[in-house]
Amino acid sequence: EPEVTQTPSHQVTQMGQEVILRCVPISNHLYFYWYRQILGQKVEFLVSFYNNEISEKSEIFDDQFSVERPDGSNFTLKIRSTKLEDSAMYFCASSEQVQGYNEQFFGPGTRLTVL
Amino acid sequence: AQSVTQLGSHVSVSEGALVLLRCNYSSSVPPYLFWYVQYPNQGLQLLLKYTSAATLVKGINGFEAEFKKSETSFHLTKPSAHMSDAAEYFCAVSVNTGGFKTIFGAGTRLFVKA
Repeated sequence: EPEVTQTPSHQVTQMGQEVILRCVPISNHLYFYWYRQILGQKVEFLVSFYNNEISEKSEIFDDQFSVERPDGSNFTLKIRSTKLEDSAMYFCASSEQVQGYNEQFFGPGTRLTVL
Repeated sequence: AQSVTQLGSHVSVSEGALVLLRCNYSSSVPPYLFWYVQYPNQGLQLLLKYTSAATLVKGINGFEAEFKKSETSFHLTKPSAHMSDAAEYFCAVSVNTGGFKTIFGAGTRLFVKA
């Protein structure tokens, strides 16, 4: 069964450093998403991406964040200058373009720890 | 705006007892509703989904949920709890607002006592 994969599974970085989280969505999917979950809290939407551009973003997704689909398979989330409060689990998701319904398939997550 | 409210951050049941996790949603357009389960230090696993077909939805591991539009509810049930059901459960709503996104509830941690 096809699945969304994410690398690395765990990333430790120093405050102020740039990190890139990588995701490989399911191959025939056209919509891509990033979510984050701070430890012990709920999962929060960050951004959705379609046709090589951001289709929607939350207030969390400020100028420190960017997304990119650098090739036909990868989808990345970059945090330019990490802060302590960026420590969280980051989930990538993807979905097909299906009219009326759009189930998202989630990856296993990357745990980001900012020291 | 869409939102999800899960009643009870913690629910404790005895093994073999009924599991009932409550979820109410708010949406200005017909919603798609989901329940996800998250085991410690793991990702999100889809339990079941409502996509405007049958209002009673059956999922994996013996779970089911009923969509009640009049009550704006989507409660999750399981007739008989197993120890392996102990996890965090998230109710979620997804609405097409030009781009789909999923809004999650705060989660309910299920404890199962032997």
